Amino acid sequence: GAVVSQHPSWVICKSGTSVKIECRSLDFQATTMFWYRQFPKQSLMLMATSNEGSKATYEQGVEKDKFLINHASLTLSTLTVTSAHPEDSSFYICSARHAGTSWETQYFGPGTRLLVL
Amino acid sequence: GENVEQHPSTLSVQEGDSAVIKCTYSDSASNYFPWYKQELGKGPQLIIDIRSNVGEKKDQRIAVTLNKTAKHFSLHITETQPEDSAVYFCAASRPNAGKSTFGDGTTLTVKP
Repeated sequence: GAVVSQHPSWVICKSGTSVKIECRSLDFQATTMFWYRQFPKQSLMLMATSNEGSKATYEQGVEKDKFLINHASLTLSTLTVTSAHPEDSSFYICSARHAGTSWETQYFGPGTRLLVL
Repeated sequence: GENVEQHPSTLSVQEGDSAVIKCTYSDSASNYFPWYKQELGKGPQLIIDIRSNVGEKKDQRIAVTLNKTAKHFSLHITETQPEDSAVYFCAASRPNAGKSTFGDGTTLTVKP
């Protein structure tokens, strides 16, 4: 149980285009999902916390107009990188937390590798 | 806010030996401490976690110990195998915090 999927697993796009990444909790409902960015050989950098039905909470320094997050249902959150540039190239990982419990456990997706040319 | 320090940053052991990774945290209100294993090109996978009401938890070759007074917790892997090679992250969170704070990771290499 507690499986989180991401789609796509990797994407290559041209500079200036927008890219949407989906994060789904497959076998549980998640009121909260998190989006992370990870550079090679570095730790997880939290970008934003997404709560179902409300606006995402962004970490300091993360541009909310560039990284649009939507959490429209208890099983789906999306991250859209708008007007992507090469510096946005990175490994993006989502995680989801069980709904209806006080558990803090986060279950991570497999990640999406984005390359902006 | 919470600060989590993880040591060592790299660890190399011989197959069959034990490996220990340590983390310290700053927020005494933190009460949940998970450990994640991340293989190359994949997302982190939860391997074990502990809550502040217990001092130790085991799952086969993996164990976690928690010292609330000293505010540190450790991951112990016994009888290491090459497939244990990965990056390991610790994390800490307080009740209703909404998010966890992660350590910087430890790259474990198990040599056959």
